[in-house]
Amino acid sequence: KAGVTQTPRYLIKTRGQQVTLSCSPISGHRSVSWYQQTPGQGLQFLFEYFSETQRNKGNFPGRFSGRQFSNSRSEMNVSTLELGDSALYLCASSLDTWNTEAFFGQGTRLTVV
Amino acid sequence: DQQVKQNSPSLSVQEGRISILNCDYTNSMFDYFLWYKKYPAEGPTFLISISSIKDKNEDGRFTVFLNKSAKHLSLHIVPSQPGDSAVYFCAASRGTSYDKVIFGPGTSLSVIP
Repeated sequence: KAGVTQTPRYLIKTRGQQVTLSCSPISGHRSVSWYQQTPGQGLQFLFEYFSETQRNKGNFPGRFSGRQFSNSRSEMNVSTLELGDSALYLCASSLDTWNTEAFFGQGTRLTVV
Repeated sequence: DQQVKQNSPSLSVQEGRISILNCDYTNSMFDYFLWYKKYPAEGPTFLISISSIKDKNEDGRFTVFLNKSAKHLSLHIVPSQPGDSAVYFCAASRGTSYDKVIFGPGTSLSVIP
């Protein structure tokens, strides 16, 4: 079956702009979580959506938001971009909550200039 | 303050030898530990996990050891193969929700043919 699909793969934006990233989970998976990866910081949890509801949220400012649609596809939005938002954004999907079968997408590489 | 630490940003090992990747954690409430492998331009993929009730788990060439008293775990790859060259993330969890999974910064392993 198809894996987790993230679009776009690469994105360049300027400071102050906003950006929307998309994640399509594996068919049948209802949980989608988002992570930010920066050099030396590992994967930092942004938020998790389950059945269209934000279930958990990490320690990121309100400029980071997301939503999930009825087909489990999820979008992440970052407003008023800052240079420090440049990172690889990964989404992971799983059937329910976190377990060993969380599958990651390839990520979206966001560069803010 | 990082709760999950991987103090070696990189490691080089000869093909056929043993690779040992280390991970330390500070939160004694963590009860589940995972290792993820990440190739360039791909999302992380689950490798192996261990529950805090065990001190060892094996899966083929991969073995994870957990020392709860030292709050330390390690991943052994024997024998190492060039295809094992990747970034390895250690992750620790206090439960089954995404917001309770903390990733380390990763260790880049290079297996030299």
